[in-house]
Amino acid sequence: AQSVTQLDSQVPVFEEAPVELRCNYSSSVSVYLFWYVQYPNQGLQLLLKYLSGSTLVKGINGFEAEFNKSQTSFHLRKPSVHISDTAEYFCAVSPPAGNNRKLIWGLGTSLAVNP
Amino acid sequence: DGGITQSPKYLFRKEGQNVTLSCEQNLNHDAMYWYRQDPGQGLRLIYYSQIVNDFQKGDIAEGYSVSREKKESFPLTVTSAQKNPTAFYLCASSIKQGPGANVLTFGAGSRLTVL
Repeated sequence: AQSVTQLDSQVPVFEEAPVELRCNYSSSVSVYLFWYVQYPNQGLQLLLKYLSGSTLVKGINGFEAEFNKSQTSFHLRKPSVHISDTAEYFCAVSPPAGNNRKLIWGLGTSLAVNP
Repeated sequence: DGGITQSPKYLFRKEGQNVTLSCEQNLNHDAMYWYRQDPGQGLRLIYYSQIVNDFQKGDIAEGYSVSREKKESFPLTVTSAQKNPTAFYLCASSIKQGPGANVLTFGAGSRLTVL
């Protein structure tokens, strides 16, 4: 069975500092990987996804993530955060072939950017 | 602009009452989903539908019901059998096949509070 672990439930950081939100997964088959962002009292929005190809994936709002198959990780990074990046971030994994019934979600990481 | 509209944004219910949450999409997506979100528990799948007039239970379907009479609509009824219905409910959609099938588009959510 697949599982997703977001290693930090809360990450406080100062504005303009770099940030890394960690995500590990377990799976016996190849997977697709996703990061979504949720601003307060809103739905989720896709930040970036890894389906295949280059292991470094660039997303919206200056975020990027690197797929590391040997370490089964998909950590999200941003070199300089803004106050507006304060939100909940979710990592998710699914098997290939588009079966969203099998989408597995992490519990989320709350990023708090302080001035 | 295409998107998903959920209504109402906030809803209060007395114990023993059924309530229906609306979800409408104009993205021409075949697949639609309902998730429940509780603090610290991530997203849990309630029901999903990949085609009109067909839907399947997710991981926590007890106490909920859905219908899919039209492609663009996927209402969720929270019945009196749901013992702990206070939560944030998210509707999502996706295409059914192809590389984009793994990407979910979310509505802004409906917050249900039982008084």
